[in-house]
Amino acid sequence: GENVEQHPSTLSVQEGDSAVIKCTYSDSASNYFPWYKQELGKRPQLIIDIRSNVGEKKDQRIAVTLNKTAKHFSLHITETQPEDSAVYFCAASPLNQAGTALIFGKGTTLSVSS
Amino acid sequence: ETGVTQTPRHLVMGMTNKKSLKCEQHLGHNAMYWYKQSAKKPLELMFVYSLEERVENNSVPSRFSPECPNSSHLFLHLHTLQPEDSALYLCASSQDVYAGGAGWEQFFGPGTRLTVL
Repeated sequence: GENVEQHPSTLSVQEGDSAVIKCTYSDSASNYFPWYKQELGKRPQLIIDIRSNVGEKKDQRIAVTLNKTAKHFSLHITETQPEDSAVYFCAASPLNQAGTALIFGKGTTLSVSS
Repeated sequence: ETGVTQTPRHLVMGMTNKKSLKCEQHLGHNAMYWYKQSAKKPLELMFVYSLEERVENNSVPSRFSPECPNSSHLFLHLHTLQPEDSALYLCASSQDVYAGGAGWEQFFGPGTRLTVL
């Protein structure tokens, strides 16, 4: 089955710096990779996702890159702000398989200090 | 009430108790999920329901028993739990059960914080 490794487990940056979180996956059949953000005491929410036919996707200050050959994908946050502080989870899943849900990484706690 | 709701938000129970967690989605979705979130561990999928039928059961102990009476409601019945079952239990729903499809974004509920004494 799929196994997702996520690094680092904690990340502290100064406001305005960039943050990068990396994930690797084991199952070559996985081709859908979402990222979820969970603020303290709140529910996880999808912030960006990427499919295997795309190498990079951007949404304002957030970008995700995917290297299918190496089986890793990364979340990039530029110009970080204190409100970016949260736990970020990567996940992997194969597309179009009924009943297949997400396999999550262990999460990265991002702290942005002003 | 909008989105995905869960009750109770906090639950403390003894190992011999029987309790149930409830999840309700107000999004018209077809798929519902139970996840377990423990400290220092990834979100662990427990059960997946599509149109009230269970499509996945991730080797969850029988002391956890799901029930999906209709596409809007999902229950998790708890019986003779262990202290290591203490965790945040998250319910989620999605329009479609096919991963990565246009309507597949999972919307999470606020969770039930369960403590087993």
